[in-house]
Amino acid sequence: GAGVSQSPSNKVTEKGKDVELRCDPISGHTALYWYRQSLGQGLEFLIYFQGNSAPDKSGLPSDRFSAERTGGSVSTLTIQRTQQEDSAVYLCASSLGLAGGLNTQYFGPGTRLTVL
Amino acid sequence: SQQGEEDPQALSIQEGENATMNCSYKTSINNLQWYRQNSGRGLVHLILIRSNEREKHSGRLRVTLDTSKKSSSLLITASRAADTASYFCATDAYYNQGGKLIFGQGTELSVKP
Repeated sequence: GAGVSQSPSNKVTEKGKDVELRCDPISGHTALYWYRQSLGQGLEFLIYFQGNSAPDKSGLPSDRFSAERTGGSVSTLTIQRTQQEDSAVYLCASSLGLAGGLNTQYFGPGTRLTVL
Repeated sequence: SQQGEEDPQALSIQEGENATMNCSYKTSINNLQWYRQNSGRGLVHLILIRSNEREKHSGRLRVTLDTSKKSSSLLITASRAADTASYFCATDAYYNQGGKLIFGQGTELSVKP
């Protein structure tokens, strides 16, 4: 079956603009995760969803970042008033569940965000 | 902050040799996973080892876990040029709810033909 897909694959934006990043998880996966990867910080957890709820938003770096998930499927990560330090690869992953071996996470190809 | 630290940061070997990468972590875990990443994009899941397991194999991969030392190792046997990539360990910390992963900084493996 299809893997996790993300769009766009690349996004270049000007400082101060808003951006939306989209993630399509593997069908049937109830858990969805957002991470970002940057040179200085490595791979960082941002937020996860179980169904449409986000029990853990602890990794969101500021209130400019938000995410939602609808229908237990597609998720969008929105960054408002982008800053240059937001430049990174944003990775989405999904898993069948949360516990034990069910949380093997399958990653999408990522969205490379560049803020000029 | 990163849970794991990986060692070495970079490793260069000849095709056919074995590659060993190590990962240390700080807190109790539910499981530990290893991922491969090519060219800074999506991560490919390699293997998951649970906290009550000590060793696991998958093809040319062998993973060990020592919870008393809070460390894990990934061995790739008979390496190939196609194994060239960055390898990350990731822990699902025991205190977490929701299975979020905390990643190490990664080991950059280069396999020369």
